Amino acid sequence: ETGVTQTPRHLVMGMTNKKSLKCEQHLGHNAMYWYKQSAKKPLELMFVYNFKEQTENNSVPSRFSPECPNSSHLFLHLHTLQPEDSALYLCASSPLGPISYNEQFFGPGTRLTVL
Amino acid sequence: AQKVTQAQTEISVVEKEDVTLDCVYETRDTTYYLFWYKQPPSGELVFLIRRNSFDEQNEISGRYSWNFQKSTSSFNFTITASQVVDSAVYFCALSEAKTGGFKTIFGAGTRLFVKA
Repeated sequence: ETGVTQTPRHLVMGMTNKKSLKCEQHLGHNAMYWYKQSAKKPLELMFVYNFKEQTENNSVPSRFSPECPNSSHLFLHLHTLQPEDSALYLCASSPLGPISYNEQFFGPGTRLTVL
Repeated sequence: AQKVTQAQTEISVVEKEDVTLDCVYETRDTTYYLFWYKQPPSGELVFLIRRNSFDEQNEISGRYSWNFQKSTSSFNFTITASQVVDSAVYFCALSEAKTGGFKTIFGAGTRLFVKA
């Protein structure tokens, strides 16, 4: 595996379910990000982790719970979601931490549908 | 506050036409970085170019070229002789030095359709 991988690619869940999204980067990067991409809305930054430490929580509801056990893995735990949470969830990583000039490397995303 | 505006929601061209994607940004920081990313139907955003606020030189990479003008706060992207494989959503993004990569702001994106 190379680059940034995300599993599952597609997920359908009910509002009472609990599920997790997984992201893994094989690039040796130190920073990892979760973004939400909804139809007709700009890409929204959700969380940033730098060397496993959360450095940014962009006012995300508590029904989204991130976990970063090491610099290569990032999870997004989901519980009691709402239909408006249906979106494409993108994971990204960047070298040398979330420095302003670093480009980000993205995974293919998880398409989440909440019924 | 930082902001990125991509006024063109969708553009449709015929193959071999040239097309320019507009990007206008707002920032109060004097040091910042601008990016363009491409999102093909497969979903992942792919980095295309980075520009820092002190370098206004235009750049050309194959069929792609970028025009950075601080006077108009614009960072436009031109594809010359477009191809069907260029069909994608293109995002312009801004990152301020003072907020670091924590706050990279993306524009809403421009969806480009290139018809054969």
